Amino acid sequence: AQSVTQLDSQVPVFEEAPVELRCNYSSSVSVYLFWYVQYPNQGLQLLLKYLSGSTLVKGINGFEAEFNKSQTSFHLRKPSVHISDTAEYFCAVIIYNQGGKLIFGQGTELSVKP
Amino acid sequence: DARVTQTPRHKVTEMGQEVTMRCQPILGHNTVFWYRQTMMQGLELLAYFRNRAPLDDSGMPKDRFSAEMPDATLATLKIQPSEPRDSAVYFCASGPGQGSQPQHFGDGTRLSIL
Repeated sequence: AQSVTQLDSQVPVFEEAPVELRCNYSSSVSVYLFWYVQYPNQGLQLLLKYLSGSTLVKGINGFEAEFNKSQTSFHLRKPSVHISDTAEYFCAVIIYNQGGKLIFGQGTELSVKP
Repeated sequence: DARVTQTPRHKVTEMGQEVTMRCQPILGHNTVFWYRQTMMQGLELLAYFRNRAPLDDSGMPKDRFSAEMPDATLATLKIQPSEPRDSAVYFCASGPGQGSQPQHFGDGTRLSIL
């Protein structure tokens, strides 16, 4: 069965520090990969996506992620975080040819401190 | 910007009452998803539709939950009778129907069953 694992449930970090949020997936077939962000009392907003091509993808708000097929990972990074990046971050996959259903990880709560 | 619209944003009601949540997908999107988010379970897919036809509702408790799309601009999720364990945030998302394309989320309905 396909699954998505976010290795850290909470990541505290100081403002202007770099951050990496880790995501691994399990699937025997091709997948499309996504990161979403959820601010308090809001829905999920797409940060970035990997469909094919270059394994390094850039998204909104200065975030980027790298697809590593051999390690089945899709870690999210930002070189310098802001207080406003405090939110919950979800990694998700769509399994190729399975109707577009998103399979989500459990989420990582990023807390940026001054 | 086109948005998925959910109503109501908040709902508090007593156990046993019927609850109806509504979703207006983005115009032109032919795939609609219903998710439930709780602290314990995270994001769970309840059901989804393509071209108004239900494709998968295996995540939904059938005895009390029902999901419909009366027309292309309205999706509904009903709970009857409601129970305290149904308290959660319910999200609707819509997508253009291509398996690789990401879904766009509404801001959710925060449901509390007393």
